[in-house]
Amino acid sequence: QKEVEQDPGPLSVPEGAIVSLNCTYSNSAFQYFMWYRQYSRKGPELLMYTYSSGNKEDGRFTAQVDKSSKYISLFIRDSQPSDSATYLCAMNSNYQLIWGAGTKLIIKP
Amino acid sequence: EAEVAQSPRYKITEKSQAVAFWCDPISGHATLYWYRQILGQGPELLVQFQDESVVDDSQLPKDRFSAERLKGVDSTLKIQPAELGDSAMYLCASSLGAGPGELFFGEGSRLTVL
Repeated sequence: QKEVEQDPGPLSVPEGAIVSLNCTYSNSAFQYFMWYRQYSRKGPELLMYTYSSGNKEDGRFTAQVDKSSKYISLFIRDSQPSDSATYLCAMNSNYQLIWGAGTKLIIKP
Repeated sequence: EAEVAQSPRYKITEKSQAVAFWCDPISGHATLYWYRQILGQGPELLVQFQDESVVDDSQLPKDRFSAERLKGVDSTLKIQPAELGDSAMYLCASSLGAGPGELFFGEGSRLTVL
C-alpha cells in the first residue's frame, strides 16, 4: 500500500462546475499538506499549502485537511478550461516529501 | 521572476549511451532536488542537495546515475549507460531551506531512450 493514494482520473467536468480532488494517506506523522498543479509538459507549481487540520481558501480554491480521517481535499469553484491540468497532492514530515500520483482534470468548455 | 533553469528540454538517445542534464536553481536557494517523473505518476526523489552536500540519495540508482553540485549552485545529473526504463521526465527543483516549504520546479528534461 502506498503512503499517499490519489485517483489518477481523468476527471472530466463541464465549465463552471465545482471540482473535488482528494488524497488519502496512511502516515499520521504528516503535518504539511500541499497541492501542486502541473500543466502538460511543464514542472509542478505550488497551488495551496496547509499545516495540520482545517480549511484554507485562496480565490476559487479551497484546501481541506482532515487528519482524523487521513484525508485531504482540494475544491475548485467556478472551474475554467484553464484549470485543466494534473493536480498532485504532496505531504511531509521529517523533511521527506511524499507525492500522490496526480489526478488529471479536464474542464470542458 | 526568478526561475529554475533546466537543459536540455528534450533528449532522445539510444540505450547504453551517456546522458547529462543540467539545472540552475533560483539564486539563493540552498536546497536542490532532482526528481524523476514517469508519465501518470508522481515525482520520485532521486537526490537532494543542501548546498554542495548530498543529504538524500537513497533512491538514486548509483550503478548508473550520478549527480553533483560542486559549488553549491548549479547541478548536473548523469546517466551512464542509459536503459529503456530511464525514459521519463527529469525535474529539478529548488527551495530556500531543507525544511517543509515551497519547491520551485523547472520545466523538466524529457528523456526518451530508444
